[in-house]
Amino acid sequence: NAGVMQNPRHLVRRRGQEARLRCSPMKGHSHVYWYRQLPEEGLKFMVYLQKENIIDESGMPKERFSAEFPKEGPSILRIQQVVRGDSAAYFCASSPRAGEISGNTIYFGEGSWLTVV
Amino acid sequence: GDSVTQMEGPVTLSEEAFLTINCTYTATGYPSLFWYVQYPGEGLQLLLKATKADDKGSNKGFEATYRKETTSFHLEKGSVQVSDSAVYFCALIKNQAGTALIFGKGTTLSVSS
Repeated sequence: NAGVMQNPRHLVRRRGQEARLRCSPMKGHSHVYWYRQLPEEGLKFMVYLQKENIIDESGMPKERFSAEFPKEGPSILRIQQVVRGDSAAYFCASSPRAGEISGNTIYFGEGSWLTVV
Repeated sequence: GDSVTQMEGPVTLSEEAFLTINCTYTATGYPSLFWYVQYPGEGLQLLLKATKADDKGSNKGFEATYRKETTSFHLEKGSVQVSDSAVYFCALIKNQAGTALIFGKGTTLSVSS
């Protein structure tokens, strides 16, 4: 999982604040995936982005959550008006091209742990 | 929709015991199958994969065989070590553009000496 950089690694927010999680994919990767891992649960797919495009956001909550992957800069997962239930680990992964069928080229970051107090 | 089901954990074993973690999947077409491992406080690392029926993935003493007839991809290791203690995730990806990995809920393995 070397190369996919997520920050911050740990973030504490009060209820009602905004949380911004950043993901810099591996060099040369133009596809980014965000996953959420709730306590005692597995990873749930949230959103899949290509540069400047959202490919699949079927796993994103309809409200308060948004994601972007601009032409320049990292991908951002934004959570507005956070609630306690948003406390989770958020993982980003990247791959070099679409329709990647080989797990070798889907690399995960080390995650961002959000705690809402 | 597509899904992955893993056996409930935690799995608690003594060092050198035999390990099996069951995984079954539901998917249209012919997905590729994976096992990922997550050590405490870390991200996910690919452990092994198989891309077609009857393929066997193996790594670090772990292995899993892609069984299309039973839609399974069970993880096995002949002799576990304390350092294998982690959460193991089974996952699939459909072999088509615009898709992402779908994970099972994960199985926690705890190995004691």
